[in-house]
Amino acid sequence: DAKTTQPNSMESNEEEPVHLPCNHSTISGTDYIHWYRQLPSQGPEYVIHGLTSNVNNRMASLAIAEDRKSSTLILHRATLRDAAVYYCIPRASGTYKYIFGTGTRLKVLA
Amino acid sequence: DTAVSQTPKYLVTQMGNDKSIKCEQNLGHDTMYWYKQDSKKFLKIMFSYNNKELIINETVPNRFSPKSPDKAHLNLHINSLELGDSAVYFCASSATVTNTEAFFGQGTRLTVV
Repeated sequence: DAKTTQPNSMESNEEEPVHLPCNHSTISGTDYIHWYRQLPSQGPEYVIHGLTSNVNNRMASLAIAEDRKSSTLILHRATLRDAAVYYCIPRASGTYKYIFGTGTRLKVLA
Repeated sequence: DTAVSQTPKYLVTQMGNDKSIKCEQNLGHDTMYWYKQDSKKFLKIMFSYNNKELIINETVPNRFSPKSPDKAHLNLHINSLELGDSAVYFCASSATVTNTEAFFGQGTRLTVV
């Protein structure tokens, strides 16, 4: 299982972009990079995932480094509702688990 | 309709009791999971099931016994509850095809007194 390193916490002002980094230097070539978030008192929620190319969806963008050893989750305009713990999860093909690390607690300031 | 639903949402019980948590998903997924989130907020996988078969048991004490009566349900029974079992338990499901998203329930907060 690939190890991940994320900042413990980050702050952002409302309506500004947020870049949440994740290092996963031991990732294998077939591991997808997933991002989940957990809002207070809720279960984890899927945000986005990708393999090599950058990915966009309605919630966020995912930028993956060319060597795949790191990735960045981009929230284009943070809102108060985006305050959560964000987890980056490299997931190996054929496994039946999502391994959560300690994540990054994002605080959004009004 | 809630995709992954767990009952009960809160459970307070005494040490030594036996309790169950139920989980149901209406997404047609083949794989279901149980996770435990302790007081330090660390999320740890306990079990995963695929098509009603146990795939992963992450060295969970055998007081914990999951049961999957069908693909849509994965229940968790806990015998002889201990103080250290107090945590939030999350059920989740995903399609068998790798690299699809998982859906999590809202959690069951278990407090053992």
